[in-house]
Amino acid sequence: SQTIHQWPATLVQPVGSPLSLECTVEGTSNPNLYWYRQAAGRGLQLLFYSVGIGQISSEVPQNLSASRPQDRQFILSSKKLLLSDSGFYLCAWGTGYGYTFGSGTRLTVV
Amino acid sequence: EDKVVQSPLSLVVHEGDTVTLNCSYEVTNFRSLLWYKQEKKAPTFLFMLTSSGIEKKSGRLSSILDKKELFSILNITATQTGDSAIYLCAVNQGAQKLVFGQGTRLTINP
Repeated sequence: SQTIHQWPATLVQPVGSPLSLECTVEGTSNPNLYWYRQAAGRGLQLLFYSVGIGQISSEVPQNLSASRPQDRQFILSSKKLLLSDSGFYLCAWGTGYGYTFGSGTRLTVV
Repeated sequence: EDKVVQSPLSLVVHEGDTVTLNCSYEVTNFRSLLWYKQEKKAPTFLFMLTSSGIEKKSGRLSSILDKKELFSILNITATQTGDSAIYLCAVNQGAQKLVFGQGTRLTINP
């Protein structure tokens, strides 16, 4: 079966600390993968998308970066977190019916 | 700039009421329009609309697209407390890139 895993579910990090969020997909090959951020009470903003290993497109300038070291693995990173990086981060896998989403990571930067 | 606008942003009704959620869009490339329901974490897929005037139904939920006027509506009849959620509208611009609206927070009171 096709599934998408995202972890951790919640994270509290101090300003200036690094970040690594991981997303993996099972049951498919060469998926299109996406990272979205959802600020409180707002819609989803596309941060990065990837159509293959090592291929990353950035949608908005920001303090974050993404990498795709393996076909089914997508990583969101930061070297130094800012307060404004707080939010709900969703990984998504593009399918014929839009997206299948991971369960999300709620990041609070303190 | 591509945008998707949902209204209202928030709606509170009583159980049994019928609600209509609105989504208008202005995008350079339109492939399809999608509706998602987000309760606690990951959004879940409701409908994908590609053709004007064809209603899609799933139980008490239905949706229709007007590609001339660039909008879609999501109807929920005989609402239940379990319908309380954020409803997200998104437009697929191709390459499986979705542009999301801000969402409508629907609260159903018993």
